[in-house]
Amino acid sequence: NAGVTQTPKFQVLKTGQSMTLQCAQDMNHNSMYWYRQDPGMGLRLIYYSASEGTTDKGEVPNGYNVSRLNKREFSLRLESAAPSQTSVYFCASSERGDTQYFGPGTRLTVL
Amino acid sequence: AQSVSQHNHHVILSEAASLELGCNYSYGGTVNLFWYVQYPGQHLQLLLKYFSGDPLVKGIKGFEAEFIKSKFSFNLRKPSVQWSDTAEYFCAVNAIGENDMRFGAGTRLTVKP
Repeated sequence: NAGVTQTPKFQVLKTGQSMTLQCAQDMNHNSMYWYRQDPGMGLRLIYYSASEGTTDKGEVPNGYNVSRLNKREFSLRLESAAPSQTSVYFCASSERGDTQYFGPGTRLTVL
Repeated sequence: AQSVSQHNHHVILSEAASLELGCNYSYGGTVNLFWYVQYPGQHLQLLLKYFSGDPLVKGIKGFEAEFIKSKFSFNLRKPSVQWSDTAEYFCAVNAIGENDMRFGAGTRLTVKP
């Protein structure tokens, strides 16, 4: 099992560009999450999907959109990137309330 | 919504020293509690978790944590740290009935050989 996979691993964008971060899990989990990790701030939840077909905002949803394409895949889209979105992005999956399994992360720089 | 506080931002220890990292949460209901570890350049992985039962839980690599309900705390301990324990440690809380998990800001542990 690959667990949780994310693409790309690194990305550099210019302000105003758009991009989509991809995430897939092969553990048959119902819930999937997108976090951003910034120094001194821990992980902050951007969006989550409790089950296929549903999505909900987390702590810091502004500037992002998500799509739960199917049970396996959960993508995060930046429509118009800003320097404040420079961060490391982690996708995770779990059964509700239980251990979250994290992907390797995407390091995004917005110039 | 629940919040999580980790008291120490950066802890520096020598090998064989004992470790205790503090974690407090603010939520009046029943919670699931977790400690995750992030080794340099890697993603987060579970160290241990508490759902119910014995409030002293043991995890991987000799770590343990104690849930004290009256203090809303879930402190992480290890009797003797090793250089390989150098990492960032995150406490996390999931309120029963809620789907999201809240993470603390993290504590960076540096163990000197």
